[in-house]
Amino acid sequence: KQEVTQIPAALSVPEGENLVLNCSFTDSAIYNLQWFRQDPGKGLTSLLLIQSSQREQTSGRLNASLDKSSGRSTLYIAASQPGDSATYLCAAFANTGNQFYFGTGTSLTVIP
Amino acid sequence: DAGVIQSPRHEVTEMGQEVTLRCKPISGHDYLFWYRQTMMRGLELLIYFNNNVPIDDSGMPEDRFSAKMPNASFSTLKIQPSEPRDSAVYFCASSLYGLAARKPNTGELFFGEGSRLTVL
Repeated sequence: KQEVTQIPAALSVPEGENLVLNCSFTDSAIYNLQWFRQDPGKGLTSLLLIQSSQREQTSGRLNASLDKSSGRSTLYIAASQPGDSATYLCAAFANTGNQFYFGTGTSLTVIP
Repeated sequence: DAGVIQSPRHEVTEMGQEVTLRCKPISGHDYLFWYRQTMMRGLELLIYFNNNVPIDDSGMPEDRFSAKMPNASFSTLKIQPSEPRDSAVYFCASSLYGLAARKPNTGELFFGEGSRLTVL
């Protein structure tokens, strides 16, 4: 069974700092990997989707990379802002099981 | 498209009552997922459908839980009878060509805003 891990569980940084969130998965046979943002009391908002054939995807200040061989994905946030404060989750869609496997998330706080 | 639509947004009920949660997926999506989220257990997959057919319900906690998808635009998750430990946020999500087509830029998962259930 695919297991997805996110470390650290919580992160606090000053405004303006660049930061990296980590996501590890145990089974490299994935179809895609997706990063989400969740604000308190809200649903999950899709940030970036990386297909298994891709190495990275970019959207504005966000850049997500995927290394299937090492079972890792990173989400890079440039010039962090207080509005970036939220919980970030990654999910790997496994070829076996045909479902998304979620990490437990990283709670990010950007201090003004 | 309005996105994935869930109702009700909040439900407070007493133990033993029946609860029905509703979901309208994004038009054209062929996969629908029901998740439950709690502080203790995080996000758990309960069941998912492909083209209205239930594929994997191994995450459904007990026989008290049931889910249906009578057509491509509607799904329900029912709990009968409800118990306090069922209190959680229930999310519905949908995706296009979850696996079969292997087309670029497909498989992206979209979530609804969730239904927050409190069982007293």
